Amino acid sequence: ETGVTQTPRHLVMGMTNKKSLKCEQHLGHNAMYWYKQSAKKPLELMFVYNFKEQTENNSVPSRFSPECPNSSHLFLHLHTLQPEDSALYLCASSQVTGYAEKLFFGSGTQLSVL
Amino acid sequence: SQQGEEDPQALSIQEGENATMNCSYKTSINNLQWYRQNSGRGLVHLILIRSNEREKHSGRLRVTLDTSKKSSSLLITASRAADTASYFCATDAGGNNRLAFGKGNQVVVIP
Repeated sequence: ETGVTQTPRHLVMGMTNKKSLKCEQHLGHNAMYWYKQSAKKPLELMFVYNFKEQTENNSVPSRFSPECPNSSHLFLHLHTLQPEDSALYLCASSQVTGYAEKLFFGSGTQLSVL
Repeated sequence: SQQGEEDPQALSIQEGENATMNCSYKTSINNLQWYRQNSGRGLVHLILIRSNEREKHSGRLRVTLDTSKKSSSLLITASRAADTASYFCATDAGGNNRLAFGKGNQVVVIP
């Protein structure tokens, strides 16, 4: 257990559905991240929040909408997704120190879009 | 942004043997990290080596860093079946303190 909890572990949704992924960290970190992992591709950084403020959005389509109500919680709201959005979505947290510190990952949500 | 590139991509070894993986990168870095991922799970941090370090050990893991060649290696000694996983290197060369990950290196340890 890394101290980062993601729910749900698995999600199947149709292209017209709306769903949300949840992430919670119990490590006292002040940065949280969403990554997308597709087969045979490097991990793709989607969003970064430092001290609850979004500091990075790597050209992610608007059908993905992040929300960070506080330093411990992070959501990824999904709507009108496409089949190519099927992937493992990973949440991570870290301390903000001015350097790239080690990341603590959750177990991920395996998303299938039908 | 640049990414670490692991080599070889897949490795199959017998239990008890050593496994070595390499990672190359393109621009200067502050640190390089290695992570392990078991199938369908999140990544677990293994070791971080800073640009002014040449070698680091953690249990059965040994990481080297050669900044002149822009490469790193991860050695797992006396491998066990539980070491079966994908191993990723990640670097922070983007200048924004963000990690860029390689595609991963799958290691299978046969009991």
